[in-house]
Amino acid sequence: DAGVIQSPRHEVTEMGQEVTLRCKPISGHNSLFWYRQTMMRGLELLIYFNNNVPIDDSGMPEDRFSAKMPNASFSTLKIQPSEPRDSAVYFCASSFRRLGENTEAFFGQGTRLTVV
Amino acid sequence: AQKVTQAQTEISVVEKEDVTLDCVYETRDTTYYLFWYKQPPSGELVFLIRRNSFDEQNEISGRYSWNFQKSTSSFNFTITASQVVDSAVYFCALRTGANNLFFGTGTRLTVIP
Repeated sequence: DAGVIQSPRHEVTEMGQEVTLRCKPISGHNSLFWYRQTMMRGLELLIYFNNNVPIDDSGMPEDRFSAKMPNASFSTLKIQPSEPRDSAVYFCASSFRRLGENTEAFFGQGTRLTVV
Repeated sequence: AQKVTQAQTEISVVEKEDVTLDCVYETRDTTYYLFWYKQPPSGELVFLIRRNSFDEQNEISGRYSWNFQKSTSSFNFTITASQVVDSAVYFCALRTGANNLFFGTGTRLTVIP
């Protein structure tokens, strides 16, 4: 398996622009996570999907952030409008969950976002 | 509420020394999972181990070993005979019944040649 695939790997954008980050989870996994990593705040969970349904989005910083998972093989995280403080590495991770068991989450290589 | 505490922000050891990374967790759930991940300088997050709350057996994998103690809510990670390639940030994580996956703040390990 190719693992979790994120695109783009790097994104530089101007303040105010819309940014869309993409994630393809591992085939067969039914849980998907979006994280943001910064030096100041560490690894923050933004949103968690199970079976394509958002279960917990309490970590989404504000209305400028939105995430979708239209099917089991694709998810997006959108920031509109972007601000310099959104600069971070954004990770997507997937895992398999069934009743009574949770497997480990596997991470993509991340998208390094710079908002200037 | 769920919480993972890694009190050691940074640790430096000389090559071949043993080092233990501490992890303390909090949860009211009786079923939960604990994990360790490694983030080398290249930036990716690499899964190392998973433990569920019903399995307190310690585990050894090569130079790595893990000590899970429910009585103290700890899941510590020991590297024996450290090597320069072990230099990385190590994260402890907790997954609970709500299925969110929470990470500690990480411990940066530097192994000096």
